[in-house]
Amino acid sequence: GENVEQHPSTLSVQEGDSAVIKCTYSDSASNYFPWYKQELGKRPQLIIDIRSNVGEKKDQRIAVTLNKTAKHFSLHITETQPEDSAVYFCAASSRGNNDMRFGAGTRLTVKP
Amino acid sequence: GAVVSQHPSWVICKSGTSVKIECRSLDFQATTMFWYRQFPKQSLMLMATSNEGSKATYEQGVEKDKFLINHASLTLSTLTVTSAHPEDSSFYICSAGRGSDEQYFGPGTRLTVT
Repeated sequence: GENVEQHPSTLSVQEGDSAVIKCTYSDSASNYFPWYKQELGKRPQLIIDIRSNVGEKKDQRIAVTLNKTAKHFSLHITETQPEDSAVYFCAASSRGNNDMRFGAGTRLTVKP
Repeated sequence: GAVVSQHPSWVICKSGTSVKIECRSLDFQATTMFWYRQFPKQSLMLMATSNEGSKATYEQGVEKDKFLINHASLTLSTLTVTSAHPEDSSFYICSAGRGSDEQYFGPGTRLTVT
């Protein structure tokens, strides 16, 4: 089955700096890669996703890149703000949404 | 659109009792619903996948007789934790899919077994 690894487990940046979180996956059949943001005690919220036919996707300050050959994808947050502080999870799936597996999460802290 | 509710948001029960958690898709029909368990500061662990009208598919290591899942309609799935024990205390989150890849999460239920 799919195995998703995520790094780093914690990340602390200064407000205004960029943050990068990286994930690798094992199943070459995976074709959908979402990123979720989870604030303490709340539900995971989908913030951006990418499919295997695209190498990069951007939405304002958030971007995701995908390297299918290397089987890794990354989340980039630019001009970070304190409200970006949360836990971020990457995930990968290959059969619609029936086999989605999550990374271990990255706790991002943005210091004002 | 794509709102998922979960009830209750928190519950405290005594060891040996059963607890039912409901997951509803409010504005769409969910072809598939998922149940996750999340321990403090840890990731989401998939427990089972359920499709409306059929038996749930449980992940390896998840006791199907302990965690009963019913998906009676396209908008409702329930998870019943039977004979709960303190080690079952956790944050349980459901999610719903509507045919595409995206999953939409409920707000979660914090279960504490005393």
